[in-house]
Amino acid sequence: AQKITQTQPGMFVQEKEAVTLDCTYDTSDPSYGLFWYKQPSSGEMIFLIYQGSYDQQNATEGRYSLNFQKARKSANLVISASQLGDSAMYFCAMREGGLTGGGNKLTFGTGTQLKVEL
Amino acid sequence: DAGVIQSPRHEVTEMGQEVTLRCKPISGHDYLFWYRQTMMRGLELLIYFNNNVPIDDSGMPEDRFSAKMPNASFSTLKIQPSEPRDSAVYFCASSPYRQGYYGYTFGSGTRLTVV
Repeated sequence: AQKITQTQPGMFVQEKEAVTLDCTYDTSDPSYGLFWYKQPSSGEMIFLIYQGSYDQQNATEGRYSLNFQKARKSANLVISASQLGDSAMYFCAMREGGLTGGGNKLTFGTGTQLKVEL
Repeated sequence: DAGVIQSPRHEVTEMGQEVTLRCKPISGHDYLFWYRQTMMRGLELLIYFNNNVPIDDSGMPEDRFSAKMPNASFSTLKIQPSEPRDSAVYFCASSPYRQGYYGYTFGSGTRLTVV
């Protein structure tokens, strides 16, 4: 079974509009972390936002927010006020293994290609 | 902080040749990861180290691949002999050990083409 599922291979959004990128995950570990990364056409992996499984509030970083619905195992990324520079591939990722560091590795989804249009 | 440094940025080699990819993690980071990115398989973890010791190499595709971390500031991923299906972008990432948030920082990647 896929640990991280991103069902939207491609998305379009108008500049200045908000967009939600979907991510669902599968784990039986009570302690885990969820990450979103941005990969522009230049290829680098840019960290955007992190949500811990025990965090009570949804994570926010500037125009990025994470809509964390634990019971549904969902961790959607919301980008507000989209800009042309937001056009990129976006990856959701999960770390399992709690605080011991024993499972300190990231598993990635297949990504969503976002295109921001004028 | 110079970030995670990978070299070379691009590598073109002929099938059968040995290829060595290099990575310098961020100073003080306890973990180092090697990922491979292809269109077909996405981002897949090859191997990771904790304090220079390999912890999980289950993602290494076959014996042609080997990775070492002789010290805290250097790691190599070697492919010998290389094959066209090894063509991919190889990322190195490092992470500190902290309770709660683990910050993973990726290098710029090495784009490998095997012809």
